[in-house]
Amino acid sequence: DTAVSQTPKYLVTQMGNDKSIKCEQNLGHDTMYWYKQDSKKFLKIMFSYNNKELIINETVPNRFSPKSPDKAHLNLHINSLELGDSAVYFCASSPSTSGTRVYEQYFGPGTRLTVT
Amino acid sequence: AQSVSQHNHHVILSEAASLELGCNYSYGGTVNLFWYVQYPGQHLQLLLKYFSGDPLVKGIKGFEAEFIKSKFSFNLRKPSVQWSDTAEYFCAVTSNTGGFKTIFGAGTRLFVKA
Repeated sequence: DTAVSQTPKYLVTQMGNDKSIKCEQNLGHDTMYWYKQDSKKFLKIMFSYNNKELIINETVPNRFSPKSPDKAHLNLHINSLELGDSAVYFCASSPSTSGTRVYEQYFGPGTRLTVT
Repeated sequence: AQSVSQHNHHVILSEAASLELGCNYSYGGTVNLFWYVQYPGQHLQLLLKYFSGDPLVKGIKGFEAEFIKSKFSFNLRKPSVQWSDTAEYFCAVTSNTGGFKTIFGAGTRLFVKA
């Protein structure tokens, strides 16, 4: 009954490779996010989708491409991986904007990406 | 630019000590405020949130936070910490005028000595 799940949990790969991280939520939420957490634990928003529509696209290299096949899934594809991409990537979801549950986010367990 | 500042990067306390973690934000318009906790090796979990009403909000595990609009602050408090409170704490702010974007503070790492 996991609310927000991500696969894989760990990903070790070499520079130049292309990799994908998958995220799924079973909470019925309309909005999903990708965050990057660096080695100093700083969390930064990368992308957000609302009902499969891209609504937040922060300044990230265009090697990063999110894809939302449906509102329960948000995948992250990374091309030509670089050393600086090593981080923990968190997926999150939040309910639609109604009542008092605006913007409250539920996070997945994270994917630790190590680029060697 | 919108920002969230957490003043303490590392805090070390003994069990039963009182805790207060500072959070200040720079944001226009109406704000929604959150504290999240990340236990070692785990994902972020919501501790408490403020949208409107009573500026003193209570969350899980005995935590509370007070929204002081005039000071743009949302400090987290707990009267008596436990060893199990050892974690990273993140303040986060969303503006009703800022769409779905949430800005996180840099985090405060709390270590509670048994």
